[in-house]
Order: sequence, then C-alpha cells, then structure tokens
Amino acid sequence: RKEVEQDPGPFNVPEGATVAFNCTYSNSASQSFFWYRQDCRKEPKLLMSVYSSGNEDGRFTAQLNRASQYISLLIRDSKLSDSATYLCVVKPGDMRFGAGTRLTVKP
Amino acid sequence: NAGVTQTPKFQVLKTGQSMTLQCAQDMNHNSMYWYRQDPGMGLRLIYYSASEGTTDKGEVPNGYNVSRLNKREFSLRLESAAPSQTSVYFCASSDIGGHSNQPQHFGDGTRLSIL
Repeated sequence: RKEVEQDPGPFNVPEGATVAFNCTYSNSASQSFFWYRQDCRKEPKLLMSVYSSGNEDGRFTAQLNRASQYISLLIRDSKLSDSATYLCVVKPGDMRFGAGTRLTVKP
Repeated sequence: NAGVTQTPKFQVLKTGQSMTLQCAQDMNHNSMYWYRQDPGMGLRLIYYSASEGTTDKGEVPNGYNVSRLNKREFSLRLESAAPSQTSVYFCASSDIGGHSNQPQHFGDGTRLSIL
C-alpha cells in the first residue's frame, strides 16, 4: 500500500463547478499536511497547508480527518487557471507525496 | 527572486556516464532535498541535508551521492548512470527540516534521460 494515495483522475469539470479531491495516508504519526499544485512540466508549488480544524483560502478549502487518516481539498467556482495536478503531501518526518490528481477545467 | 536554482535543466547521458546536478538556494534555508518524479508516482526523496554538514538517505538513495557544499548548495551525483535513473529531478529547500511544519520550496527541475 502506498503511504499517500490519491485518485489520479483526470477530473474534467466546467468552469464554475465545485470539485473535491481526496487523499488517504497510512502513517498515523503524520503531523503536517499540505496541498501542492503542479502545472505541466513545472515544479510543485505550495497551495496551502492543512490544519486540524480545517482551513480556507479564497475558493479553496482543506479538511483533515485524523481518525480516518484522510485529507480533502475543495475548489469552488473553478477557473480555467485551476487546471493542474494537485499533490497531497504528508509529513511524518520527511515529506511524502501522493502521485497527484489531475484537474482540467473547461470553458 | 531566484529561490531555488537547478542546473542543468535538461541532460541526455549514455549508460555508465557520470554527472552532477547542481542546486543552490538564496533563502538562507537550513534544509535541502533531492527528489525524483516518475510518471504515476509521487515525488520520491533521494537524499536530504537537514543542515550544513549533514546528509541522510531518503526513500530511494541507491545509485546516487550528494554533497552539501555549503549552506546554499546541495549537489546530486550519478556515478554510473542507468536507464532506470531517467526521471525529472527536483531540488527543494525549507527553513527547518525534520518534524517541522515548514513547507518546501522547489527548483524548476532537471529532466534527465539516460540512453
């Protein structure tokens, strides 16, 4: 079993849609959690950290469920510019990356 | 803002050749990392350096060596390249490593092909 598992997608959604990505992790000792965004042939960039109480940054909402070892990312009112691969990252010590979920937002 | 700079951006090698990937950061970060990214897999940690003067193996260290030259620079060396090392290599840095919640900042990658 992979340490961090994500649905690879692709998710194809129209502009304005709401889309949710899920991520599960296996190491219960994990303490820090992040969502990164990676554009095609580019480096990963931090989208947001994930806090225990859940957190929001504009159209993006991240949730953490430690009991179920589950992280989610919700994107509201999708824009064309949201098209990218979203990486779930878990930090039991080192950073462990999911393989990513690919999102395409279409006009 | 340069951030994390990697060189070269692209490289093609023949099996058995050696080369060094260079990485430098200008953010005064203590920790630096080397990852590889392959299709369908997440980034996998090759080696990291929690602070100047220390290096440690990550998840996939075989076939690689590293040098933390100073606080700014962290190089990755392939002594005898193999086709299985064809990948995209990312260098990253963070303010504090280990169990901190500091995120990592990435360079824009080196695309390495080994024939």
